Amino acid sequence: GQQLNQSPQSMFIQEGEDVSMNCTSSSIFNTWLWYKQDPGEGPVLLIALYKAGELTSNGRLTAQFGITRKDSFLNISASIPSDVGIYFCAGVTGNQFYFGTGTSLTVIP
Amino acid sequence: GAVVSQHPSRVICKSGTSVKIECRSLDFQATTMFWYRQFPKQSLMLMATSNEGSKATYEQGVEKDKFLINHASLTLSTLTVTSAHPEDSSFYICSARGQRDASYEQYFGPGTRLTVT
Repeated sequence: GQQLNQSPQSMFIQEGEDVSMNCTSSSIFNTWLWYKQDPGEGPVLLIALYKAGELTSNGRLTAQFGITRKDSFLNISASIPSDVGIYFCAGVTGNQFYFGTGTSLTVIP
Repeated sequence: GAVVSQHPSRVICKSGTSVKIECRSLDFQATTMFWYRQFPKQSLMLMATSNEGSKATYEQGVEKDKFLINHASLTLSTLTVTSAHPEDSSFYICSARGQRDASYEQYFGPGTRLTVT
């Protein structure tokens, strides 16, 4: 199936730094979802976005649904070691879910 | 939040045997469940979508006779890997979508690590 373009592919940052990642598509979506996956675990839903332009926060995480409905952004402020993991975006239309290629985040204490 | 469980979390089997993986939605009814396969450091690959009481819809390239999916109730879906071979070794993850969920969210299980020797 279709996979969304997610960037960057990987990030190595110092603890305390802010993180930004994005997801783009050639298709329009009705919903954007952001997940985090720890090694050996299933993805956990972080934030769900339902309207173009919507900006939603969950603690230190903030995500935005792009105006064009073809992209979404996730920001993590003041990163901590437990933020380590792989972050996936997902675009949803109807019953179809399309996942991004993932962003691997490493936080250096 | 919605909780999805998977069993077993890890399984090792011999080549040629069959393995069944269970996926349960614990606190909600799931009309639709999804099965994914994930290789190391890669994204999720959708294998099939199953709706309660009907046959699963398989993605292109996924052998339906090898990966048998049964969604017999609103809280349980099973994936059976038949005549497993070493190349079937992978991380299998299920997810579920709620019945009266007006949103379009999926909740994932913790995954099952299958190793075929």
